[in-house]
Amino acid sequence: EAQVTQNPRYLITVTGKKLTVTCSQNMNHEYMSWYRQDPGLGLRQIYYSMNVEVTDKGDVPEGYKVSRKEKRNFPLILESPSPNQTSLYFCASRSGFGYTFGSGTRLTVV
Amino acid sequence: AQSVSQHNHHVILSEAASLELGCNYSYGGTVNLFWYVQYPGQHLQLLLKYFSGDPLVKGIKGFEAEFIKSKFSFNLRKPSVQWSDTAEYFCAVNADGAGSYQLTFGKGTKLSVIP
Repeated sequence: EAQVTQNPRYLITVTGKKLTVTCSQNMNHEYMSWYRQDPGLGLRQIYYSMNVEVTDKGDVPEGYKVSRKEKRNFPLILESPSPNQTSLYFCASRSGFGYTFGSGTRLTVV
Repeated sequence: AQSVSQHNHHVILSEAASLELGCNYSYGGTVNLFWYVQYPGQHLQLLLKYFSGDPLVKGIKGFEAEFIKSKFSFNLRKPSVQWSDTAEYFCAVNADGAGSYQLTFGKGTKLSVIP
């Protein structure tokens, strides 16, 4: 089944403790991206990647890093999480027919 | 840069009422347009999409949307809503041909359907 898999689904962490949210797709898509969803703000793009080793900032990249060492994986890294990064995160990949979204990761930073 | 505006933050309807959710975008070139639905506690699901061709697009669950290029609009419609349509709805646009796959979302419209 074609899908985008995110892990973990839920995560509670403390301020400053580095964390990684993984994202993997099995559709051989070149384009992948990360979004955060906050109430009243919709989804905003954090980072995207057009292909392996090609990444670029989206609209809200501060406090995040990404890497794209292989086509299927696109992890989101928070090196020093802060409470304002508490949010619902979605990973997505795209083919010529549209976008496929992961199930989301709800992150709480205390 | 492209942007998307959804006119209504929260819409409350009774079952069997007709629904129309507004969506306008700002981009002068060719666009790909999407409507997503997010049921409470769930991830995004694609309702329908427009890439080209017939501007009246039919999607899942009885939803449809009409692309009106002159108005930069892509409004979502359903003739008769059900309680199970209670969800948040997001309009999104990708500026096709701009060398980018960036998908820009509106802020969403919450729909509450009263039985």
